[in-house]
Amino acid sequence: GESVGLHLPTLSVQEGDNSIINCAYSNSASDYFIWYKQESGKGPQFIIDIRSNMDKRQGQRVTVLLNKTVKHLSLQIAATQPGDSAVYFCAEFNQAGTALIFGKGTTLSVSS
Amino acid sequence: EPEVTQTPSHQVTQMGQEVILRCVPISNHLYFYWYRQILGQKVEFLVSFYNNEISEKSEIFDDQFSVERPDGSNFTLKIRSTKLEDSAMYFCASSGGGDRVLDEQFFGPGTRLTVL
Repeated sequence: GESVGLHLPTLSVQEGDNSIINCAYSNSASDYFIWYKQESGKGPQFIIDIRSNMDKRQGQRVTVLLNKTVKHLSLQIAATQPGDSAVYFCAEFNQAGTALIFGKGTTLSVSS
Repeated sequence: EPEVTQTPSHQVTQMGQEVILRCVPISNHLYFYWYRQILGQKVEFLVSFYNNEISEKSEIFDDQFSVERPDGSNFTLKIRSTKLEDSAMYFCASSGGGDRVLDEQFFGPGTRLTVL
């Protein structure tokens, strides 16, 4: 079936470190993935997306890597800052492209 | 910057009562969605809406739920007879101008529904 998931529920890093958040997905037909950040009491906020015809996409301080062979997605945050503390979700579209399917989320805690 | 807005931010209701959650999507978007998030859990899809009709709904979206776009700006979610397990954050989202259904979805801040 369609599902996404994350390897670790929590990740704690020091300010300035690089963070890597992982996600595994099961639908090999998925062709669009999104990483969302959710701060406490707020809605999910788009960070970066990647389509299946790409292996890597870079944004400002963030990089998403897609490995279609093992159906694995990762989000790398460079020079992590306290403001990056949040829950991070990977999401994929269902086969019809009409709904986002979210993974369980990784809580990133950044200490100064 | 355009954003999705939702009202109220918090709704408390008695079990069995009807609630209407309101959303104003981004003005030029064509696709509208409702998601919910039970405390501490992942975000779950409820329903998508396009061209004045439901395009997809999940198993959660049973006969107690309905959506409506009553005018050119609002998008509502109605729960006809609330149950305790309906307590959750409800997020509205919108996306897309044109034919691209696979597009970034912009989420509102959510309505926290508490059913007593």
